[in-house]
Amino acid sequence: KNEVEQSPQNLTAQEGEFITINCSYSVGISALHWLQQHPGGGIVSLFMLSSGKKKHGRLIATINIQEKHSSLHITASHPRDSAVYICAVSQIQGAQKLVFGQGTRLTINP
Amino acid sequence: GAGVSQSPSNKVTEKGKDVELRCDPISGHTALYWYRQSLGQGLEFLIYFQGNSAPDKSGLPSDRFSAERTGGSVSTLTIQRTQQEDSAVYLCASSLRTGLTEAFFGQGTRLTVV
Repeated sequence: KNEVEQSPQNLTAQEGEFITINCSYSVGISALHWLQQHPGGGIVSLFMLSSGKKKHGRLIATINIQEKHSSLHITASHPRDSAVYICAVSQIQGAQKLVFGQGTRLTINP
Repeated sequence: GAGVSQSPSNKVTEKGKDVELRCDPISGHTALYWYRQSLGQGLEFLIYFQGNSAPDKSGLPSDRFSAERTGGSVSTLTIQRTQQEDSAVYLCASSLRTGLTEAFFGQGTRLTVV
């Protein structure tokens, strides 16, 4: 079992829909990161959080430390949101290196 | 530049040749990480630098892989006697320090071993 599990692996939705991507982890963490990777592009950090909730534009990230679970929400989704979204955790032990989930491939159709 | 810079962006090499991949982190970032993303696979950790030292090399897949960092800045990942299974995108990330700080990623080097 991977230390970081994401669901779903693939998600296709229509423009305007509310999107939720889930991430569960099994190790002690100091922070959880949500990353975005566009096709052929590099990786962009969307959020880093260790508790509660953060919001940036149409993106919202939440984390429940007790349940070891985080969600990434996208409101009013748009085709430009199409990308791979990756959950990663910084372990308490291990020099803060990131352990990654397998990613969720999101496709938003117009 | 303002971001993490990696070079080359693409590299095609023949099996058995050595390659060097370069990462230029954001100025002032003391922590530097190398990750690898193989086709159809997730991202995996290779090595981490704090300053010029590498406290964690646990992700390097074999002794053909090595990395160094000089002057607390530029890092080079070297792969000797490349094999086809080394084909992947090699990503570098830097952060201000270890701990609860955001990681900034480069665009990656796509390595193809033929």
